[in-house]
Amino acid sequence: NAGVTQTPKFQVLKTGQSMTLQCAQDMNHEYMSWYRQDPGMGLRLIHYSVGAGITDQGEVPNGYNVSRSTTEDFPLRLLSAAPSQTSVYFCASKRRESSYNSPLHFGNGTRLTVT
Amino acid sequence: RKEVEQDPGPFNVPEGATVAFNCTYSNSASQSFFWYRQDCRKEPKLLMSVYSSGNEDGRFTAQLNRASQYISLLIRDSKLSDSATYLCVVKDTGGFKTIFGAGTRLFVKA
Repeated sequence: NAGVTQTPKFQVLKTGQSMTLQCAQDMNHEYMSWYRQDPGMGLRLIHYSVGAGITDQGEVPNGYNVSRSTTEDFPLRLLSAAPSQTSVYFCASKRRESSYNSPLHFGNGTRLTVT
Repeated sequence: RKEVEQDPGPFNVPEGATVAFNCTYSNSASQSFFWYRQDCRKEPKLLMSVYSSGNEDGRFTAQLNRASQYISLLIRDSKLSDSATYLCVVKDTGGFKTIFGAGTRLFVKA
C-alpha cells in the first residue's frame, strides 16, 4: 500500500541547476498537487492537476513547471534553481467524487536546499 | 490578504486544558473545510472535516460559521500527544484547489 511516493527525500542544488521532483500515486486519484512549505508561511499551492493532460497554476507557480501525462505521475520541474526555492515540497493527491469532503493524501516530502 | 488566516501561536497549555483555534477565509464561495494536523518535519494528515452544523470527534469539536467566514477547532482535555501544528484548510467551489492556512502551533506540557 504505497500511497503517494515522493523522490528524492533530500536534494542540494547549486543556483541555476535544474532538476525534477518525482511524485507517484497508486490510488488512481484524479487530483494531484504540489505544495511548498516555508517557516511561518504554511503550505502554498504551486501547481495542481485534475486529471491526465490537465494542469493549472496555484498560488506560487513561478519558477516551476509540471506535466501530467499519466494518472499516476505528477513531476515538478525546477528549470533554473534559485535560493528562494529552498523549501520542503509536498505532493498530494485525492480522488474525484461527488462529495467535496475527500481528504488529501500527502507524500513524505522532499527537502530541497539551493546554494 | 491571505485566503486563509490563522493565529500562528504558539499556544502553550498544560495537560488537561481546553484550547481553541480560529481560522478565517476570504472566499465566500468556498465549499469544503477541514482541519489537518502536522507533526514536526512530517507530512500533514487529516484531523477532521468541518460541517455547518458543527461536528465532534472524541475530544475535538469543529465549527463553521459561513456568514462570518470563520472556522474553529476546540480541543478538550489536552494530551501531550496533541502537541503539533494545526492547519486550517479550505477548498474552492470546484472541490479541487485546496488552500492551507499557515498553521497554529500547539505545545501541551506536563
